[in-house]
Amino acid sequence: SAVISQKPSRDICQRGTSLTIQCQVDSQVTMMFWYRQQPGQSLTLIATANQGSEATYESGFVIDKFPISRPNLTFSTLTVSNMSPEDSSIYLCSATPTLGPSYEQYFGPGTRLTVT
Amino acid sequence: EDQVTQSPEALRLQEGESSSLNCSYTVSGLRGLFWYRQDPGKGPEFLFTLYSAGEEKEKERLKATLTKKESFLHITAPKPEDSATYLCAASRGGSQGNLIFGKGTKLSVKP
Repeated sequence: SAVISQKPSRDICQRGTSLTIQCQVDSQVTMMFWYRQQPGQSLTLIATANQGSEATYESGFVIDKFPISRPNLTFSTLTVSNMSPEDSSIYLCSATPTLGPSYEQYFGPGTRLTVT
Repeated sequence: EDQVTQSPEALRLQEGESSSLNCSYTVSGLRGLFWYRQDPGKGPEFLFTLYSAGEEKEKERLKATLTKKESFLHITAPKPEDSATYLCAASRGGSQGNLIFGKGTKLSVKP
């Protein structure tokens, strides 16, 4: 398994500003992902964070709104840009460990974002 | 369209009252079916992966099974500490990140 931490755990931000969320894994992982969980909804994949190259975004999510970095095998950031109240959600980082079954994903504790 | 549907949305049990949660899926090229537990304010905690129909896995009071169309999470003699939201997710062909989640079943176990 992998232990994943996220910073910040929660934040309240003003409309039009940006927030960067950090995700740190305690061991090297092959894949890192960012999800959004809106109240009462399923987890939705935003993008796959690729090490050393541009992230791969899912339909409905764009790089200008959710820029992602992954400078090494254990760290990634997600920025929520030009925020609006509709961006209020929980943002979750997940990872697939290098060792172990290739499709198992482990999640961080999440970042609860409120936009006013 | 690929989708995962969980039922019921909420389940209230008395301590010791066994039951099952259902996860129906329509996913092309299923690579794995996952169960997670999510406590309020926390990220999902990995429980099981099932890869093929007929497969079963157990962990303490939980047992997960898989058929070609659905998966069940059986809870035997639940305790109050089993109260949580249980999420089902399917991995489809293509990127390993393509997990499709259901909305979850919120389980409450009363002493």
